[in-house]
Amino acid sequence: RKEVEQDPGPFNVPEGATVAFNCTYSNSASQSFFWYRQDCRKEPKLLMSVYSSGNEDGRFTAQLNRASQYISLLIRDSKLSDSATYLCVVRDSNYQLIWGAGTKLIIKP
Amino acid sequence: GAVVSQHPSWVICKSGTSVKIECRSLDFQATTMFWYRQFPKQSLMLMATSNEGSKATYEQGVEKDKFLINHASLTLSTLTVTSAHPEDSSFYICSASRTGEAAEQYFGPGTRLTVT
Repeated sequence: RKEVEQDPGPFNVPEGATVAFNCTYSNSASQSFFWYRQDCRKEPKLLMSVYSSGNEDGRFTAQLNRASQYISLLIRDSKLSDSATYLCVVRDSNYQLIWGAGTKLIIKP
Repeated sequence: GAVVSQHPSWVICKSGTSVKIECRSLDFQATTMFWYRQFPKQSLMLMATSNEGSKATYEQGVEKDKFLINHASLTLSTLTVTSAHPEDSSFYICSASRTGEAAEQYFGPGTRLTVT
């Protein structure tokens, strides 16, 4: 079983729609959680950290469920520029970042 | 602030040759630098962690004699792929953090290596 699992997609979504994806992690001792965005052939960029109480940044909302060991990302009013691969990342107790393989999102006009 | 550069952006080399990739923190001092590799449609895999002035710590399965890492200063780390083979073709990404492994990592733009 992979340490961090994501549905690879692609998710094909019309512009303006709301889309959500989840990520599960296997290590219950994981310390911190993040969503990164990676465009094709580019480096990953931090989108947002994920806090236990849930947090929002504009159109993006992240949730953490420690009991079930999953993290979610919700994107409202999706834009064409949101098309990218979204990487779920978990920091373990050794401070190492463990990366999911990413969920590909395609926003269609 | 917190800009990391990598050079070259892409490189094509012949099998058996060596390739050096540079990672620089442009506006901060990087105590720790990380080297990752990403194959198509796969997750980033940590290859090694290096602290300035000390030997790199390699992840299990990564050959230290094949992937030479040097972190000689607080702003520069290099990864040399020695005797490259086609299976080494990948996207190599470095990241740097200011104050150690627990701090936020800032990523370089990556280097795409193709070995023919």
